[in-house]
Amino acid sequence: QVQLQESGPGLVKPSETLSLSCTVSGASISSTAYYWSWIRQPPGKGLEWVGSIYFTGGSFYNPSLKSRVTISVDTSKNQFSLRLASVTAPDTATYYCASSRGHFGVFDSWGQGTLVPVSS
Amino acid sequence: EIVLTQSPATLSLSPGERATLSCRASQSVSNYLAWYQQKPGQAPSLLIFDASNRAFGIPARFSGSGSGTVFTLTISNLEPEDFAVYYCQQRTDRALTFGGGTRVEIK
Repeated sequence: QVQLQESGPGLVKPSETLSLSCTVSGASISSTAYYWSWIRQPPGKGLEWVGSIYFTGGSFYNPSLKSRVTISVDTSKNQFSLRLASVTAPDTATYYCASSRGHFGVFDSWGQGTLVPVSS
Repeated sequence: EIVLTQSPATLSLSPGERATLSCRASQSVSNYLAWYQQKPGQAPSLLIFDASNRAFGIPARFSGSGSGTVFTLTISNLEPEDFAVYYCQQRTDRALTFGGGTRVEIK
């Protein structure tokens, strides 16, 4: 069973870059069996897919965020990361990392989530 | 972008009753639709994938059906732990989208 744990700063200022990491245990980040994703949820609202990465197949982003998002993999730490540039208040959300085994877009394991407020 | 519309927004039922949740897509998603359950303060968890396949460890009282643009999640006999928010999600193209959610609350 894959386990995921998000980490990163608890607060980001407007116009800065939000950076989060997700540490994976129970699977190798370089495995071709998995897709790795970020999903966010503003307080009291629904879920929004941010983007996904496949170790040998590239990355896919939400079109509404594509110009500001980068997802990357760090094999030395068995982590994948999210960078979201030029944040504003609407980017305040709980950010979840998730994995999909074999089926792109089926999120079968989730991290516990981390709330990232955007505030000065 | 494929828009998923869930109804009703809130469903008020008693334990032991049957819950029927709907998800409609703005265009065909074939059978590439999943359902997730989210309890307060927790991450979502996968219930159903590809319209009708239960995820590992999910009880048989949860069932999914549908194809194309109309999908249903049925909980046949509500247990106290089933009161939660449920989201549908499509993976037809590389722009994944979620529905707005249905809250199943205790009547």
